[in-house]
Amino acid sequence: TAGITQAPTSQILAAGRSMTLRCTQDMRHNAMYWYRQDLGLGLRLIHYSNTAGTTGKGEVPDGYSVSRANTDDFPLTLASAVPSQTSVYFCASSERAENTGELFFGEGSRLTVL
Amino acid sequence: GQNIDQPTEMTATEGAIVQINCTYQTSGFNGLFWYQQHAGEAPTFLSYNVLDGLEEKGRFSSFLSRSKGYSYLLLKELQMKDSASYLCVVMDSNYQLIWGAGTKLIIKP
Repeated sequence: TAGITQAPTSQILAAGRSMTLRCTQDMRHNAMYWYRQDLGLGLRLIHYSNTAGTTGKGEVPDGYSVSRANTDDFPLTLASAVPSQTSVYFCASSERAENTGELFFGEGSRLTVL
Repeated sequence: GQNIDQPTEMTATEGAIVQINCTYQTSGFNGLFWYQQHAGEAPTFLSYNVLDGLEEKGRFSSFLSRSKGYSYLLLKELQMKDSASYLCVVMDSNYQLIWGAGTKLIIKP
């Protein structure tokens, strides 16, 4: 069972370059999320999507954009990367948007911006 | 503001019992989760409490007191594979998830 697949697993990126982190789920979950995880901090929500065709801003959306063209895919794009975007990025999904219950996470994408 | 406090790091011995505490101050409450995260891996769901009391699931138990804004995760018969970070997460009145920074648990033989 695949669950949630993220790519790439890790990437080194020059500042100013653009990058898209891919996320695909095969559980037919309605809601999907992008989080970043930094040392000493809790997971912070970047963007979310309650259902295909809709997206919303989380706690730290600046510098990131997302799209949800279909149920399965939820890519995260950095238009012009900056060093402060160096982090581990996790994509997650849940069956429903409100009262989400359990979140299912991908294995993470480690991004280094130089 | 919304805040979740849990110890940064704890050490315990294989076979023993450890309790990881979590206190929270949030805008309303719709439930509390515990997740386990091994180093370099994704968080995985452990437990969910929405009513006061103890929820037991095998070697792991989670307790909630809503009036005190307090929860703990109890791990019994510790095994080396329990070495991981444990994340306390609260769902506020708007169904937003507030994540604690996590407690790194080190198990020694």
